[in-house]
Amino acid sequence: DADVTQTPRNRITKTGKRIMLECSQTKGHDRMYWYRQDPGLGLQLIYYSFDVKDINKGEISDGYSVSRQAQAKFSLSLESAIPNQTALYFCATSDAARGPHSYNEQFFGPGTRLTVL
Amino acid sequence: SQQGEEDPQALSIQEGENATMNCSYKTSINNLQWYRQNSGRGLVHLILIRSNEREKHSGRLRVTLDTSKKSSSLLITASRAADTASYFCATASSGSARQLTFGSGTQLTVLP
Repeated sequence: DADVTQTPRNRITKTGKRIMLECSQTKGHDRMYWYRQDPGLGLQLIYYSFDVKDINKGEISDGYSVSRQAQAKFSLSLESAIPNQTALYFCATSDAARGPHSYNEQFFGPGTRLTVL
Repeated sequence: SQQGEEDPQALSIQEGENATMNCSYKTSINNLQWYRQNSGRGLVHLILIRSNEREKHSGRLRVTLDTSKKSSSLLITASRAADTASYFCATASSGSARQLTFGSGTQLTVLP
């Protein structure tokens, strides 16, 4: 079974609709992330959470909101979807960093392809 | 904004050849990581190099880091068709090793 799962895998919706993307992990990691990837580009961080009570905006949080329902679950919402939110969305997790040379290797889910018409 | 920028944007080589990708970044880092992405799929972590390391190996992968030039390179030796993918560098800034900033990637095509 996959360690990081995302649902749905594909979604087509219309402008103005509310959409929720869900992410679950079985890795026991404290940290979870939501990224967006546009064609031919790298990943942009939308939101990240270091534990259930710690949620932070990333570089492109406008138009998005998140909820960390439990250590293992982190959902991303588009309150009113618009066409330029059409993209591939990834959830990722990492273990808590320790020490001055800490590392934060991230483990990614398979992605959700969202199309907003 | 992208912290890391990969070069070249696209690379096409024959099976068996070596592939070299470069990454440049702007601010001081705690570590630099390389990830691989097969078309439309999630990223997979390949290797991490810390700021106090200069070179690291993992199987057919060799990563170097030059903090004075703020650059890193990923070498894949004896490439295979299965290595065809996009490769991204990601930096963890020294000010906050809490998130990664990804570059725009190098698309590698290995021809059989």
